[in-house]
Amino acid sequence: EAGVAQSPRYKIIEKRQSVAFWCNPISGHATLYWYQQILGQGPKLLIQFQNNGVVDDSQLPKDRFSAERLKGVDSTLKIQPAKLEDSAVYLCASSFGWAAYNSPLHFGNGTRLTVT
Amino acid sequence: AQSVAQPEDQVNVAEGNPLTVKCTYSVSGNPYLFWYVQYPNRGLQFLLKYITGDNLVKGSYGFEAEFNKSQTSFHLKKPSALVSDSALYFCAVRPKDMRFGAGTRLTVKP
Repeated sequence: EAGVAQSPRYKIIEKRQSVAFWCNPISGHATLYWYQQILGQGPKLLIQFQNNGVVDDSQLPKDRFSAERLKGVDSTLKIQPAKLEDSAVYLCASSFGWAAYNSPLHFGNGTRLTVT
Repeated sequence: AQSVAQPEDQVNVAEGNPLTVKCTYSVSGNPYLFWYVQYPNRGLQFLLKYITGDNLVKGSYGFEAEFNKSQTSFHLKKPSALVSDSALYFCAVRPKDMRFGAGTRLTVKP
């Protein structure tokens, strides 16, 4: 099966600019996650979708971050305006079901964002 | 609240020796525990999980993990390390969202 696809792989922007990341999950996976991984740290959940609805966005900095999954498949994560501390790898993951807590997550290769 | 701790930032072992990467957890109720591996410039790859049943769980690439409820631990093990095992390893816990530890960098020297 095809894995989780993310683009772009790398992005360099200046602070206060905007940026968007795209994710296409594994076919049939209802749940989609966006994680932020700062260098030297474990991934931190930003937002979780079940189909096209938000399940958890408690750790999403909503003043500058937004995400959508309009048709329950692809998703985009946007940052506007970016800050220096947003430099990180943004990982998209998907899993078969939200209530299936025994399901592992399948990750894409991530987008490495550098804010200068 | 749920959390995991990986007490070692770095683990070094010689090729052919056994390896252990430590993980302890805190969760209300029954834990769902996972190990992932991350190679440079790649996403995380699932290695193994513990949901219920046998405390010794076997996973990909010869890795296994031992669940210890009394010590709230879920240590990752491999009987004989390979240089190609060198990577970043993350322990994670559910239910609710998948909460990750800070990671342990494993270096296997020839």
